[in-house]
Amino acid sequence: EVQLVQSGGGVVQPGGSLRLSCRASGFTFADYAMHWVRQAPGKDLEWVCLVSGDGAHTYYADSVKGRFTISRDDSKNSLFLQMTSLRGEDTAFYYCAKDRVAAGTDTGTFASWGQGTLVTVSS
Amino acid sequence: DIVMTQSPDSLAVSLGERATINCKSSQSVLYRSNNKNYLSWYQHKPGQPPKLLIYWASTRESGVPDRFSGSGSGTDFTLTISSLQAEDVAVYYCQQHYSIPFTFGRGTKVDVK
Repeated sequence: EVQLVQSGGGVVQPGGSLRLSCRASGFTFADYAMHWVRQAPGKDLEWVCLVSGDGAHTYYADSVKGRFTISRDDSKNSLFLQMTSLRGEDTAFYYCAKDRVAAGTDTGTFASWGQGTLVTVSS
Repeated sequence: DIVMTQSPDSLAVSLGERATINCKSSQSVLYRSNNKNYLSWYQHKPGQPPKLLIYWASTRESGVPDRFSGSGSGTDFTLTISSLQAEDVAVYYCQQHYSIPFTFGRGTKVDVK
């Protein structure tokens, strides 16, 4: 059974930093691209970033480019999101998500999701 | 960026009746090389992560009840719940993965009338 268990999150002041983690099990983690998706309270789902299965390629939404960094440690079956220069508009539930297919061109269908973790940016 | 527009914003359907949700993309999400539409549908219930229902516009994810179906191609898509059950109350989102940034529609809230 695929499981994605998230940790991190919490309250941080504007301009601060936070790191989210996502521990994967039940599949060959290194074979899959992984994503972060967020949803601000009462707002739409927003794709945030992705890292390829081999970790060589990363892509970001314009809203977080230059401030957020996605990374992975395949030896620990773990995905990370380092968030810096946080703003009020970054307040959201953050979900890690697994691609539906392994190592292909069909990336961006989110077949499994973590439980979500709330990040609140507030002074 | 590809803009995904869903309609209606919300709908209320009697149990056992049909629910239909529409989604329109600002440009085609049909990948010509494999004739696949890069369009997915998700169900999102409060307190839970979203759940993938449909991918490639019409392929049901494993374990999804067959009352859920997707159709459409190019820029116009539909999610149909053929016989609404109480457990289907949720917000439904379409999403394109034709190009980065991947984008979602604004969601359609489905309730029981």
